[in-house]
Amino acid sequence: GAVVSQHPSRVICKSGTSVKIECRSLDFQATTMFWYRQFPKQSLMLMATSNEGSKATYEQGVEKDKFLINHASLTLSTLTVTSAHPEDSSFYICSAGRLGNQPQHFGDGTRLSIL
Amino acid sequence: DAKTTQPPSMDCAEGRAANLPCNHSTISGNEYVYWYRQIHSQGPQYIIHGLKNNETNEMASLIITEDRKSSTLILPHATLRDTAVYYCIVQGDSNYQLIWGAGTKLIIKP
Repeated sequence: GAVVSQHPSRVICKSGTSVKIECRSLDFQATTMFWYRQFPKQSLMLMATSNEGSKATYEQGVEKDKFLINHASLTLSTLTVTSAHPEDSSFYICSAGRLGNQPQHFGDGTRLSIL
Repeated sequence: DAKTTQPPSMDCAEGRAANLPCNHSTISGNEYVYWYRQIHSQGPQYIIHGLKNNETNEMASLIITEDRKSSTLILPHATLRDTAVYYCIVQGDSNYQLIWGAGTKLIIKP
């Protein structure tokens, strides 16, 4: 099946640090990439949807200036958590999708811990 | 809100078939039924999807009722590695957004 690579898998850093997470679609061109956040024992929550070459669409309550998304190509999207604080600690997951009746394919997630 | 309802948890004996139900009574004509699963601390994994016909692949079978208001995911011979949270999601082919409910936590017991 399709492969989506997400890096890094785990980050531990100090409060105030900015953290960049990469999401790569390795074997197909993704027209759309999604970023999710998942807190312990909860379901996935969509943060934003990004299309290659255009601005991301953020879900209500997600600060676009704090969670910067860049989708520079059909195979790469990045999420930067700026000036991270302990409340930003979570499991961040990306997915990649294509037009039409196609499933999304997910990265293995990034566990972010802010001290 | 999620457009589907699933039981919060289920147990199944190893080697037996695991049948996971899902209700989607408000599904639209152009919406597909997708199943994903999430093993602990990993990203979700696509399992199978269908529109109205039953589907089968190497992982599972999907049975959709004639009125499309419910479906059942079947894992024919469950193994311990099938322990995961299983999500049933309806999605239109022109709208990528997946609305995630709470899913069913499936525990396979030896």
